[in-house]
Amino acid sequence: GESVGLHLPTLSVQEGDNSIINCAYSNSASDYFIWYKQESGKGPQFIIDIRSNMDKRQGQRVTVLLNKTVKHLSLQIAATQPGDSAVYFCAENMGAGKSTFGDGTTLTVKP
Amino acid sequence: KAGVTQTPRYLIKTRGQQVTLSCSPISGHRSVSWYQQTPGQGLQFLFEYFSETQRNKGNFPGRFSGRQFSNSRSEMNVSTLELGDSALYLCASSLAGQPQQYFGPGTRLTVT
Repeated sequence: GESVGLHLPTLSVQEGDNSIINCAYSNSASDYFIWYKQESGKGPQFIIDIRSNMDKRQGQRVTVLLNKTVKHLSLQIAATQPGDSAVYFCAENMGAGKSTFGDGTTLTVKP
Repeated sequence: KAGVTQTPRYLIKTRGQQVTLSCSPISGHRSVSWYQQTPGQGLQFLFEYFSETQRNKGNFPGRFSGRQFSNSRSEMNVSTLELGDSALYLCASSLAGQPQQYFGPGTRLTVT
């Protein structure tokens, strides 16, 4: 069946360190994998996506890696800042406006 | 451009009642999706509308329904409310064919 899971429910890092958030997925038919950030009291906010035919994509301070062999997705945040504290979700886009979300990892950045 | 807006932001209902939630997508976005978010189940897809047609539906009972208007605004309705329907209901809009979804702030529904 469809499911997207995250390896760790919480992650705590020191300000300035790099963060790595992991996600395992089970549906190989997805065309896009997406990372969202959700801050308290807000809806999820798009961070970065990667198409299934790619294995790496970089954005501003973020990098997403896709390993289709082991069905693993990761989000790397460089020089983590207090404003990065939030819940991070990986999601598989199934097309036609449907995404399947993982459980979320709560990132806490310590000053 | 204005973001996705949802009304109301908070709602308290009693069991057995029904509720209608509203979503206005970003201008130009014709796809509107609805999700339910709870601490136990996470983010669960409810349904998606595109050009007033439901294209996709999640695994929810028939008490959950929706519709989309010609201006792309969407509503979802939950009838015969149950305690377990207490959740944050999120609406997301997207451009046709694009995987990136833009979420509204959600409607917090509490059923007592």
